[in-house]
Amino acid sequence: EMVMTQSPATLSVSPGERVTLSCRASQSISINLAWYQQRPGQAPRLLIHGASTRATGIPARFIGSGSGTEFTLTITSLQSEDFAVYYCQFYNNWPPERTFGQGTRLEIK
Amino acid sequence: QLQESGPGLVKPSETLSLTCTVSGDSIRSTSYFWGWIRQPPGKGLEWIGDIFFSGTTSYNPSLKSRVTMSVDTSKNQFSLRLTSVSAADASLYYCARRLSGAYDHWGLGTLVTVSS
Repeated sequence: EMVMTQSPATLSVSPGERVTLSCRASQSISINLAWYQQRPGQAPRLLIHGASTRATGIPARFIGSGSGTEFTLTITSLQSEDFAVYYCQFYNNWPPERTFGQGTRLEIK
Repeated sequence: QLQESGPGLVKPSETLSLTCTVSGDSIRSTSYFWGWIRQPPGKGLEWIGDIFFSGTTSYNPSLKSRVTMSVDTSKNQFSLRLTSVSAADASLYYCARRLSGAYDHWGLGTLVTVSS
């Protein structure tokens, strides 16, 4: 069973700063990784798929990278609307598996 | 656009049934799968399962024995049934569209409470 571990659980940062969130897979997953943003009271929004491809309409300040077991989501110059919870997700066609990390909460310092 | 619907309250040991209505897109598209994801209040996301318009399904192994998903192409809807619910199944249930593994469109979610 795949386990996705995100760190840290909470990150306090100031607007305008650059921040990097981490996601680690318990086994190699190539680039089968997505990142989502969830603002309070809203559904998750897809940011990145294929580890580094931005979804439609996602600003360039969101940068995904990594492969294998180590992945990062970097947000350059944090905007007020970026303070939210971020989830990584592993996906696989066979056996079908879609495992989410436990999330990283980005809060205003 | 996706919209979940169904009872907000289910009794323990009974069956939870939800429907997702898809608009602005054809559920018969060969590009997409359609999925259910849930989120207990204040907690993280859990994948429940996916379905293709042909009826092909894949389920989370931890829920597989209790989950059935179906699709109604005439109504552009897909559905979730979860049997023998308990308090652990109380969650916000989302339906979503899956493209190449990731869910790129989500419904607003529907809250299901389990209580007698």
